[in-house]
Amino acid sequence: AQKVTQAQTEISVVEKEDVTLDCVYETRDTTYYLFWYKQPPSGELVFLIRRNSFDEQNEISGRYSWNFQKSTSSFNFTITASQVVDSAVYFCALGASGGYQKVTFGTGTKLQVIP
Amino acid sequence: NAGVTQTPKFQVLKTGQSMTLQCAQDMNHEYMSWYRQDPGMGLRLIHYSVGAGITDQGEVPNGYNVSRSTTEDFPLRLLSAAPSQTSVYFCASSYSRDQGYEQYFGPGTRLTVT
Repeated sequence: AQKVTQAQTEISVVEKEDVTLDCVYETRDTTYYLFWYKQPPSGELVFLIRRNSFDEQNEISGRYSWNFQKSTSSFNFTITASQVVDSAVYFCALGASGGYQKVTFGTGTKLQVIP
Repeated sequence: NAGVTQTPKFQVLKTGQSMTLQCAQDMNHEYMSWYRQDPGMGLRLIHYSVGAGITDQGEVPNGYNVSRSTTEDFPLRLLSAAPSQTSVYFCASSYSRDQGYEQYFGPGTRLTVT
């Protein structure tokens, strides 16, 4: 069975602070996919990043960076110099490797950036 | 491209009523899914489809039916609405695994069952 744990339910930071959102996953698959999605207050779900299990390179996209560590089954998301527009609920998700690749979502972390 | 569209955006039903939530995508994606989002529970998969004519159950399928007669459309039917089905429903589509398969979501339907 697959499981995604986002232990941080809510985080508040002051604008321009850095913040890291934690994601820990469980799977028996050797090949799998990890995702992060953003859900701003308007409610839509926006895809941010996909990572394959065989690619442990960290990734940086502007103020966003992702740290994937298979040894600790973690896929953490860091926002540098946070902005008010980063306020949202962030979901980590895990996709299986076979067949349809059912995606299991974590319960989300609500980030509030205070001006 | 419109992406993934869902109708209606809001709906109020009485217990026992039935209705269909519409979902359409214009990206020629093979895979489509329905999720429900409840507070503190993330997104849970209701039903999914890997192509026209092929559907299967997800994590929480009871009380819902789906069909997929075309690549573009994937309606979700509530057979006899119950208050426990009060939720926000998201439809998503994606390419196959080999093409990346990140999901693109519709704007959601907020359903209240009284």
